[in-house]
Amino acid sequence: EAQVTQNPRYLITVTGKKLTVTCSQNMNHEYMSWYRQDPGLGLRQIYYSMNVEVTDKGDVPEGYKVSRKEKRNFPLILESPSPNQTSLYFCASNPLTSGRSHNEQFFGPGTRLTVL
Amino acid sequence: ILNVEQSPQSLHVQEGDSTNFTCSFPSSNFYALHWYRWETAKSPEALFVMTLNGDEKKKGRISATLNTKEGYSYLYIKGSQPEDSATYLCALESGYSTLTFGKGTMLLVSP
Repeated sequence: EAQVTQNPRYLITVTGKKLTVTCSQNMNHEYMSWYRQDPGLGLRQIYYSMNVEVTDKGDVPEGYKVSRKEKRNFPLILESPSPNQTSLYFCASNPLTSGRSHNEQFFGPGTRLTVL
Repeated sequence: ILNVEQSPQSLHVQEGDSTNFTCSFPSSNFYALHWYRWETAKSPEALFVMTLNGDEKKKGRISATLNTKEGYSYLYIKGSQPEDSATYLCALESGYSTLTFGKGTMLLVSP
């Protein structure tokens, strides 16, 4: 089954304790992206990657890191989480056509993170 | 940061009503316009990706139109059903293959 998976689905942690949220897709998509969703703000892009070893900042990258060592995986790293990073996080992927997205994005199930 | 606006913010209709929502975006940054349907506790799912001015797409009772010159798209639902209750998101795809989402229109359809 074609899918995007995220782990963990729920996480409660404390300020300053490094964490990683994994994202994996089995559709051989070039493009992967992380979003956060906060009430009243809609989905905002954190980081994206257009291929292996190619990553770039989205609209709200502060406090986050990503890596793209393999095509299928795109982990989101919070080196020192803070309460303002409490949010619902979505990973997404889609194939690129002529270097453009232009295709629907497939979303993972979401990770609800609470930082105390 | 691009400004993608959706209206109304929320909508409550009765089963069988037809309804429509608006997504407006800066036309100068247009590459494609995406519509997603997002049910509570699930992932957003793609409805349409539209690229051409005047484009009209349809999936069952849901259809969408696009005007890239004036920077808006309409999503229509004909004969709303309770299972149509969800948040409908539009997103502008701009110069670097990234999506800028609107805040969504939350639709509630009562039986």
